[in-house]
Amino acid sequence: DIQMTQSPSSLSASVGDRVTITCQASQDIRNNLNWYQQRPGKAPQFLIYAASNLGSGVPSRFSGSGSGTDFTFNITSLQSEDVATYYCQQYDTFPLTFGGGTKVEIK
Amino acid sequence: QVQLVQSGPEVKKPGASVKVSCKASGYTFTNYHISWVRQAPGQGLEWMGWINAYNDHTRYAQQFQGKVTMATDTSTSTVYMEVRSLRSDDTAVYYCARTVGSADPSYYYYYMDVWGKGTTVTVSS
Repeated sequence: DIQMTQSPSSLSASVGDRVTITCQASQDIRNNLNWYQQRPGKAPQFLIYAASNLGSGVPSRFSGSGSGTDFTFNITSLQSEDVATYYCQQYDTFPLTFGGGTKVEIK
Repeated sequence: QVQLVQSGPEVKKPGASVKVSCKASGYTFTNYHISWVRQAPGQGLEWMGWINAYNDHTRYAQQFQGKVTMATDTSTSTVYMEVRSLRSDDTAVYYCARTVGSADPSYYYYYMDVWGKGTTVTVSS
C-alpha cells in the first residue's frame, strides 16, 4: 500500500495567518491526490482533487499543489471556521489511502 | 440536494455481524460509486472499499476481503455494508461517501464529494 505522511501532525496559527501542510507519498502518485477537511465531531468534507483543483463551492483561500511524491496544502488567510483536521488521500493505486491528518487550531 | 443518510448506531458483541445502510437522494444513484471509510476513535480515516452502483462491481481493500460485503438496492437507492466477525478494533464510525471519478487514463480522477454523517458501531462484550 502507498503510505501518505503528513506534517506537521498539528499546528496553531492566528486568524489571518497563512497555513501550510505537506503530504508525502511513499512512491510516485503523479497528481492523483485529494484533500479533505474534517471539523470536530463531523464527517469529512471534500476540498481539492487532482492535487490542485478546488471542489465546487470551496473557498478560494484553500489551495493545493505538487506532483510526484511531494504535495502542499495552503490556507492563505486562516479563519475561525477552518479549525479542523485536514487529510490528504491518494487515488493513484488501490487501496485508496489517507495521510494521518493535520490538526489546525487557532492560537 | 445531494444527501446520504446512514442508519443509526449499533452495539454488537464480538463475533457478531453488523449491516449498515446508506440511502442516497438528490442525484442519479447509478451514476456513481459509493465508498465506505471508517474512523476508529481518535484515529484517522481508512478506506474500506467501494461499490459501483451501476453494475454492483465491488473493490475492497485487502484487509477487508472476506470480512466485508457491499451491496446495493437500486429500487431504494440504498447501499448496504455488512461487516462480519466483529472484534473490538472494529469499533469505529463508518462513513459512506459518494465517489466521483473517471478511470480514463487521459483524465484519471476519483474523489469522495458527498459524505454521510456516519454510523457508530461499538463492539463490546
